[in-house]
Amino acid sequence: LAKTTQPISMDSYEGQEVNITCSHNNIATNDYITWYQQFPSQGPRFIIQGYKTKVTNEVASLFIPADRKSSTLSLPRVSLSDTAVYYCLVGDGDNDMRFGAGTRLTVKP
Amino acid sequence: SAVISQKPSRDICQRGTSLTIQCQVDSQVTMMFWYRQQPGQSLTLIATANQGSEATYESGFVIDKFPISRPNLTFSTLTVSNMSPEDSSIYLCSDTDRGRSYGYTFGSGTRLTVV
Repeated sequence: LAKTTQPISMDSYEGQEVNITCSHNNIATNDYITWYQQFPSQGPRFIIQGYKTKVTNEVASLFIPADRKSSTLSLPRVSLSDTAVYYCLVGDGDNDMRFGAGTRLTVKP
Repeated sequence: SAVISQKPSRDICQRGTSLTIQCQVDSQVTMMFWYRQQPGQSLTLIATANQGSEATYESGFVIDKFPISRPNLTFSTLTVSNMSPEDSSIYLCSDTDRGRSYGYTFGSGTRLTVV
């Protein structure tokens, strides 16, 4: 199973765009890349999933280069409520997805 | 996406006792997963539960300590047996359905304190 590496923490300010990069050098052909958000005292919440190139939904964009060895979660115009831990997971869905350390994002006013 | 109801949300238990955590999914799902999360830490996978077969445990977790049931495609339980203070943690269940491509849905977690 591919292991992921993310920055431990990031700081930003309200209204800025935040990009969180995840490295997954050993990603397999069948693996998808999925990002989750977790607030204190809650379970992780699905944000976005992709396989290659770019995926966009109402809350985020996910950029995946051609070699798929990394991915970048982009959060446009963050607000204080985006302060959370963000996890990047890699897996094929048939097997468990193991969580890395995650990135603790702090959005400041 | 699916909705998972997990209970209890929290409990304080005496050492040596057992606690069973329940997760109910509002739709049929193939696999369910159980995780443990220490305060301020990431999630650690305990086991994978498929309906009709024995759960598959990760290294460091054993069936005698964390027995799991999966009687049907919408329900699973995790029991934390013979508890000690080291078992104090948050326990979460999740499911996945590749057909939806929405990743995993998580329960809200059970905050367990062993005294």
